[in-house]
Amino acid sequence: GQNIDQPTEMTATEGAIVQINCTYQTSGFNGLFWYQQHAGEAPTFLSYNVLDGLEEKGRFSSFLSRSKGYSYLLLKELQMKDSASYLCAVFEGGSQGNLIFGKGTKLSVKP
Amino acid sequence: KAGVTQTPRYLIKTRGQQVTLSCSPISGHRSVSWYQQTPGQGLQFLFEYFSETQRNKGNFPGRFSGRQFSNSRSEMNVSTLELGDSALYLCASSLSGTPYEQYFGPGTRLTVT
Repeated sequence: GQNIDQPTEMTATEGAIVQINCTYQTSGFNGLFWYQQHAGEAPTFLSYNVLDGLEEKGRFSSFLSRSKGYSYLLLKELQMKDSASYLCAVFEGGSQGNLIFGKGTKLSVKP
Repeated sequence: KAGVTQTPRYLIKTRGQQVTLSCSPISGHRSVSWYQQTPGQGLQFLFEYFSETQRNKGNFPGRFSGRQFSNSRSEMNVSTLELGDSALYLCASSLSGTPYEQYFGPGTRLTVT
């Protein structure tokens, strides 16, 4: 079956580092995406991993281990505006594949 | 460049009615995907249209249908509404259909009473 798991909620302090984990079991795999979604807004693209390893983009980094079916999103120097839901999604594959989303992790950043 | 637009933004319908939602993709984008987002299930893929053809479909009942016009605008229709259809419906557009450059619209909030 298809399953993507991520923690429901997390809390962190402004200026700190937080890691949001995602594990997946899907019938196909052609990449893993992270999206940020502020309350009442559309998801926005954060990162994409298709090969194992760490991808860094400013304060955000994303890691993938395909053999373990595992990814994490690392947020550094947390800011209040980082309070949002973070969605992990797997692209099953092919040009006509679709994204399978986890239920999202709601991150609250406290002062 | 204008983003993805969805109309209406909010909608209240009664159980048993039908509803049509509209999505206008970013200019030049030929693929439109639709998703349903609920607190319990998260974001779930409904279907994808590319050049007026449905290319991919998620696991939703036949009450959910869609179409795409020659200008790439897309509509989705839900017939015989149920209370469980209350959700945020998001569309996303991309150039070729792969999610690498997929942009989401603001969504339509549907409430079924």
